[in-house]
Amino acid sequence: EVQLVESGGGLVQPGGSLRLSCVVSGFSFSNYWMHWVRQAPGKGLVWVSRIQSDGSSTTYADSVRGRFTISRDNAKNTLYLQMNSLRVEDTAVYFCARRWSAYSYAMDVWGQGTTVTVSS
Amino acid sequence: SYELTQPPSVSVSPGLTARITCSGDAFPKQYAYWYQQKPGQAPVLIIYNDIERPSGIPERFSGSTSGTTVTLSISGVQAEDEADYHCQSADSSGSYWVFGGGTKLTVL
Repeated sequence: EVQLVESGGGLVQPGGSLRLSCVVSGFSFSNYWMHWVRQAPGKGLVWVSRIQSDGSSTTYADSVRGRFTISRDNAKNTLYLQMNSLRVEDTAVYFCARRWSAYSYAMDVWGQGTTVTVSS
Repeated sequence: SYELTQPPSVSVSPGLTARITCSGDAFPKQYAYWYQQKPGQAPVLIIYNDIERPSGIPERFSGSTSGTTVTLSISGVQAEDEADYHCQSADSSGSYWVFGGGTKLTVL
């Protein structure tokens, strides 16, 4: 069964840091691009970042560039999101998702999400 | 960067057809993708490459495109279709992805 499981969320003060993890199983992780997508309470989905299959290329939304870092460990089947200088507006559920294939920009598999709350 | 615009809400009676639009300069150059999300759950891909349905998605879900607007249609709406629907696209280089603001579908 294809599965993505996020962890690492929690309550953090503004200016603090958190590292999210996404452990995958059921598919060959090293063959897929991966994403982080977030959803603030009561709001829509917002793309955060993506990383190519070998980790050689990463891109970020303007709102997090310079503060967040996406990375992966293909040997551990794990995707990461290091979040620094956190702001109240970063409060959201963070999902990891898989890019379906080289021929599509769809995200076909999603985790259940981990909640990040930034508050003093 | 692209922006995608969706109506915040759409209401429809059971058995009728719901149509949810998504507008943006990304279209028609780039494909559109649609996701269904029920409360407390992760999104589920229901339409890819503008009009294609992944396996397991009911035929009542369909996609169409006209100029800079793409549309998700749900025919014969059922109570279980009540959910949030999100459109998504990406730039041609695969560097930046974007979602619309999401549309809440209410089945009356």
